[in-house]
Amino acid sequence: GQQVMQIPQYQHVQEGEDFTTYCNSSTTLSNIQWYKQRPGGHPVFLIQLVKSGEVKKQKRLTFQFGEAKKNSSLHITATQTTDVGTYFCAPNTGNQFYFGTGTSLTVIP
Amino acid sequence: DGGITQSPKYLFRKEGQNVTLSCEQNLNHDAMYWYRQDPGQGLRLIYYSQIVNDFQKGDIAEGYSVSREKKESFPLTVTSAQKNPTAFYLCASSFTSGGAGGTDTQYFGPGTRLTVL
Repeated sequence: GQQVMQIPQYQHVQEGEDFTTYCNSSTTLSNIQWYKQRPGGHPVFLIQLVKSGEVKKQKRLTFQFGEAKKNSSLHITATQTTDVGTYFCAPNTGNQFYFGTGTSLTVIP
Repeated sequence: DGGITQSPKYLFRKEGQNVTLSCEQNLNHDAMYWYRQDPGQGLRLIYYSQIVNDFQKGDIAEGYSVSREKKESFPLTVTSAQKNPTAFYLCASSFTSGGAGGTDTQYFGPGTRLTVL
């Protein structure tokens, strides 16, 4: 079945440092979504990537979809305390929708 | 206001009791989902429904049951057969009716935190 690995599981950074989380799939994906869950909250949709090699930006967040459509990354430039939370990838094979295990980001002021 | 609501926010249950978690949406979405989240873990799919009067098992359906009698509502019953029910339960909905999510954004409710005493 679908194997989705998201790394790292935890990341602590000083405020102002960059942060990256990676999502890797064993199978080719039709698309991938990213969600953010604040502590004590619920997941909120951030973005969807569909095309091979696609790059999308949202202010300090950069999302990439691999050329082979098997991996994706989320990069945050100059983290702020408001970036704290868990970031989930949600790959879609076209038949089913999964959530990655998430990367929990802590930002130290 | 459009959105998805879950109640109650916190729920305590004695071992051996069934309990039903509510999920309502007024987004006119066809598809609805139930996920379970354990501390430090990702989201695991329990059940999903693509359309009224139809639902499918997810990865961890054992010990749970659902119904979808109305488009707006997708209640989840945690039965006494669920061996480890203490968890955070999240309900979500999306427009699509194709597969367990298709390409549409999932909108999540605030969640219900269930504790078995």
